[in-house]
Amino acid sequence: DTGVSQNPRHKITKRGQNVTFRCDPISEHNRLYWYRQTLGQGPEFLTYFQNEAQLEKSRLLSDRFSAERPKGSFSTLEIQRTEQGDSAMYLCASSLEGITKQFFGPGTRLTVL
Amino acid sequence: AQKVTQAQTEISVVEKEDVTLDCVYETRDTTYYLFWYKQPPSGELVFLIRRNSFDEQNEISGRYSWNFQKSTSSFNFTITASQVVDSAVYFCALCEGSDSNYQLIWGAGTKLIIKP
Repeated sequence: DTGVSQNPRHKITKRGQNVTFRCDPISEHNRLYWYRQTLGQGPEFLTYFQNEAQLEKSRLLSDRFSAERPKGSFSTLEIQRTEQGDSAMYLCASSLEGITKQFFGPGTRLTVL
Repeated sequence: AQKVTQAQTEISVVEKEDVTLDCVYETRDTTYYLFWYKQPPSGELVFLIRRNSFDEQNEISGRYSWNFQKSTSSFNFTITASQVVDSAVYFCALCEGSDSNYQLIWGAGTKLIIKP
């Protein structure tokens, strides 16, 4: 039973560069979520997909952020023109439809210098 | 207004002590769901429990127990006979039934340190 995987686990980039993260959910899960977590805080919702459709985007998600889930399987989160304030842990979770438990990946820690 | 409050930022106890982590929530929905997750130092959030608003029975799972009190809007988590491996950040989260997107609203977490 493979869980949710995320790549890379760590990313260090310079301000202004673009970065892309990947999330592979549990195979039978049709829902996929992206969260951002900063030190000492709980996760903040960014966006989520049901299958390939992006159904909700948080106001936190500026136009520099874009997420895709082209075939309803893996998802990518891209941040363009990174800023130091983007430094955080980016978490991906997947679940079955409905109010069920979300399974989380190990996260991608982004550091913007 | 903060919907999930975990007032205890950090708790430190000696191994084998019992410890209770508090969670207070706020919602106008009559149907809602409450969750607890554990985040060990490795960073991966681990699901512990989900409870719906219609089920006020307390639950016990090994050394873990949860006390759901609708009257006080609390969903507290107790670890009995704590162990060093219990050291982690624990998050309480709320999902409101009126939210068709099933978003989890998270507390800020309580860092639990179990000293040997």
